[in-house]
Amino acid sequence: ETGVTQTPRHLVMGMTNKKSLKCEQHLGHNAMYWYKQSAKKPLELMFVYNFKEQTENNSVPSRFSPECPNSSHLFLHLHTLQPEDSALYLCASSPNGVAGVFYEQYFGPGTRLTVT
Amino acid sequence: ELKVEQNPLFLSMQEGKNYTIYCNYSTTSDRLYWYRQDPGKSLESLFVLLSNGAVKQEGRLMASLDTKARLSTLHITAAVHDLSATYFCAVENSGGSNYKLTFGKGTLLTVNP
Repeated sequence: ETGVTQTPRHLVMGMTNKKSLKCEQHLGHNAMYWYKQSAKKPLELMFVYNFKEQTENNSVPSRFSPECPNSSHLFLHLHTLQPEDSALYLCASSPNGVAGVFYEQYFGPGTRLTVT
Repeated sequence: ELKVEQNPLFLSMQEGKNYTIYCNYSTTSDRLYWYRQDPGKSLESLFVLLSNGAVKQEGRLMASLDTKARLSTLHITAAVHDLSATYFCAVENSGGSNYKLTFGKGTLLTVNP
């Protein structure tokens, strides 16, 4: 596997379920990101991790819980979601996430989540 | 709060024609990125514009940045069907210690034969 991978690619879950999204990067990067892409809305940054530490939580509801066990893996744990949480969830990575230093972000293919 | 506006949001054009997508942003930034997204696929980086007056070209696409006007353009020359995709601009903003991108809504480009 190369680049940034995400599993599963598609997920349908009920509002009472608990599920997790997984992201893995094979680029040796130290920063990882979760984005939400909803229909007709801009891509929204959710969380940023630098060197396994969470450095950004963009006012995301607590029903979304990220986890970064190491620099290569990022999870998004989901519980008691709402139908409006249905979206494409994209993971990205970059060499690091320090402000003022240009580092391009590389995106995974996304997980299409549907909450019923 | 940084806002990024793209227009048009939908663009249907004929093969062989030229067109420009515009990206305006609301606060000072020296770095702007253009991405392409095919249906069901990841975002692919097209251009990184790092300074005022930057111009980059790749094939039929050319991107430019005017930081004083807070405007970037993505110009399409002699469009071909393979260029059909959604194009996003993203502006770098440094909130606190993080390097963050704020995205526009995207422009869905359809090139018709």
